[in-house]
Amino acid sequence: EVQLLESGGGLVQPGGSLRLSCAASGFTFSSCAMSWVRQAPGKGLEWVSAISGPGGGTYYVDSVKGRFTISRDNPKNTLYLQMNILRAEDTAIYYCAKKAVGITVAGTYGMDVWGLGTTVTVSS
Amino acid sequence: DIQMTQSPSPLSASVGDRVTITCRASQTISNYLSWYQHQPGKAPKLLIYAASSLQSGVPSRFSGSGSGTDFTLTISSLQPEDFSTYYCQQSHTSPLTFGGGTKVEI
Repeated sequence: EVQLLESGGGLVQPGGSLRLSCAASGFTFSSCAMSWVRQAPGKGLEWVSAISGPGGGTYYVDSVKGRFTISRDNPKNTLYLQMNILRAEDTAIYYCAKKAVGITVAGTYGMDVWGLGTTVTVSS
Repeated sequence: DIQMTQSPSPLSASVGDRVTITCRASQTISNYLSWYQHQPGKAPKLLIYAASSLQSGVPSRFSGSGSGTDFTLTISSLQPEDFSTYYCQQSHTSPLTFGGGTKVEI
């Protein structure tokens, strides 16, 4: 079964750091671009970051550039999101998602498998 | 950045209705457009990719159309399990922006 399982969320003070992980199983992890998508309380989905299959291409929404770093360990089938200098507006459920087909982030295929998310709360 | 604008929101409908949700991109994105369904407490679900291709396992009452800047998601006969929030997303250019969402409610 194709599965994604996020972990690493929690309560952190403003200015703090967290590292999210997403463990993948049931598919060839290195063959798929991966994304992080978040949903703040009462808000819609927001794409945060993505990484190409081999890991050479990384992309971010402007609001997290310079603070968040996406990475992947293909032999370990794991995606990461290092989040630094956290702000209250980063409070959200964070989902990892797999691109249906292809190693590039852009393309016509959508994200066909999602995890259940991990909750990040930034508050003092 | 490419802005994605959805309408209407919310959308009031009844079981059996034909429902259409529109999504407009601020610049042309060819057919690099996906539609997702998201229910509270669940993972988002891919319905349509490449603007009009039905994702495997998705009921045929869902369909998508459009190209360039204007897109639609249609549910031909609304079922009770379809009351949810729907999002479009462009995958043409980073950042891969979502629309604001359309909540389909009774």
